[in-house]
Amino acid sequence: DTAVSQTPKYLVTQMGNDKSIKCEQNLGHDTMYWYKQDSKKFLKIMFSYNNKELIINETVPNRFSPKSPDKAHLNLHINSLELGDSAVYFCASSSTGAAGGYTFGSGTRLTVV
Amino acid sequence: KQEVTQIPAALSVPEGENLVLNCSFTDSAIYNLQWFRQDPGKGLTSLLLIQSSQREQTSGRLNASLDKSSGRSTLYIAASQPGDSATYLCAVRGTGNTGKLIFGQGTTLQVKP
Repeated sequence: DTAVSQTPKYLVTQMGNDKSIKCEQNLGHDTMYWYKQDSKKFLKIMFSYNNKELIINETVPNRFSPKSPDKAHLNLHINSLELGDSAVYFCASSSTGAAGGYTFGSGTRLTVV
Repeated sequence: KQEVTQIPAALSVPEGENLVLNCSFTDSAIYNLQWFRQDPGKGLTSLLLIQSSQREQTSGRLNASLDKSSGRSTLYIAASQPGDSATYLCAVRGTGNTGKLIFGQGTTLQVKP
């Protein structure tokens, strides 16, 4: 299946821990994104990578560090997790250029206790 | 700075009704506009993508229109069904080279049998 897949789907962890979320797309897109959906369901962009290069970093704390080993993968590592990091994190991809629509992954629900 | 607003925030209708969801955006310099559906606890499913040069797109019982000059889009759902119950999100992609989507807050639709 052509898709954006992210793992894990659920992540429950204690404050202060470090965790990673992985994302992969097989759509041949050249741009990948991380979005955060807060408790009020509002979606906001965090990072964007185009061909492995960071092009968007939207005032996200530096405890969050994205890594793109190739244009099909974009992982998100979070250090020293805080209660306020609890949210749903979505990975997405698109193609450069006006015609490109977005495809989203199914989300990772992170709960920090 | 682009802002996207969706009205109403919530809508409850009886099965079979035709309905319209509204989306407005403040900056008409967009590449495209995308409507998504999100079921509770799930990811985002793309419904319709309208390029800035287009006026509307149709898929089955869904029709989305775009009036770029006035900063408005509507999603028309014909003959609504209980299975249409979900949150509908509107997102615009700006003309900048980042390609990021700016989302509205969503309209939560409930279709009662």
